[in-house]
Amino acid sequence: DAGVIQSPRHEVTEMGQEVTLRCKPISGHDYLFWYRQTMMRGLELLIYFNNNVPIDDSGMPEDRFSAKMPNASFSTLKIQPSEPRDSAVYFCASTQGTIAKNIQYFGAGTRLSVL
Amino acid sequence: AQSVTQLGSHVSVSEGALVLLRCNYSSSVPPYLFWYVQYPNQGLQLLLKYTSAATLVKGINGFEAEFKKSETSFHLTKPSAHMSDAAEYFCAVTATGANNLFFGTGTRLTVIP
Repeated sequence: DAGVIQSPRHEVTEMGQEVTLRCKPISGHDYLFWYRQTMMRGLELLIYFNNNVPIDDSGMPEDRFSAKMPNASFSTLKIQPSEPRDSAVYFCASTQGTIAKNIQYFGAGTRLSVL
Repeated sequence: AQSVTQLGSHVSVSEGALVLLRCNYSSSVPPYLFWYVQYPNQGLQLLLKYTSAATLVKGINGFEAEFKKSETSFHLTKPSAHMSDAAEYFCAVTATGANNLFFGTGTRLTVIP
């Protein structure tokens, strides 16, 4: 398997624009996670899905952020409108089963710069 | 609530020396504890995890960690550092049955030739 695939790897946009980050989990994995990594706040869980259903979105910073998982092989994280403070590396990860009993695999991340 | 504290944002060791990265946890329920490694421009990779079985956990690349409840610690060790171990290391905690990981702020390991 190719692992967790994220696109784009780098995104540069201007404040106020809509940004969409994409993730393809490993085939057969039923949990999908979105994380954000910044120097100030470290690595934070934003939201996770189980069988395409959002389970915990308490980490989503505000209404400008939204995440969807229309099917088992695709998820998006959207920021609308984007702000400079959204600049970060966003990681997607997936697991077959819970993280306690299984390995969580991370994608290479999307580095977002909002100017 | 769960949290972890990693002591030392930067650690430098000589090649062949012992690696010790410290992690202390806080949890109101029995914790599951994890160590991840992140190489530059890559995602995180699981090194090892403690899930209430053996307190001494062995992971990949020669790393191991010991869960010490009395000290609320889960320090990561490796007897002999290799140049390839240079990376950032993250400790993380979750509660039994949960899936929301809480990460520490990371420790950047430098290996000096």
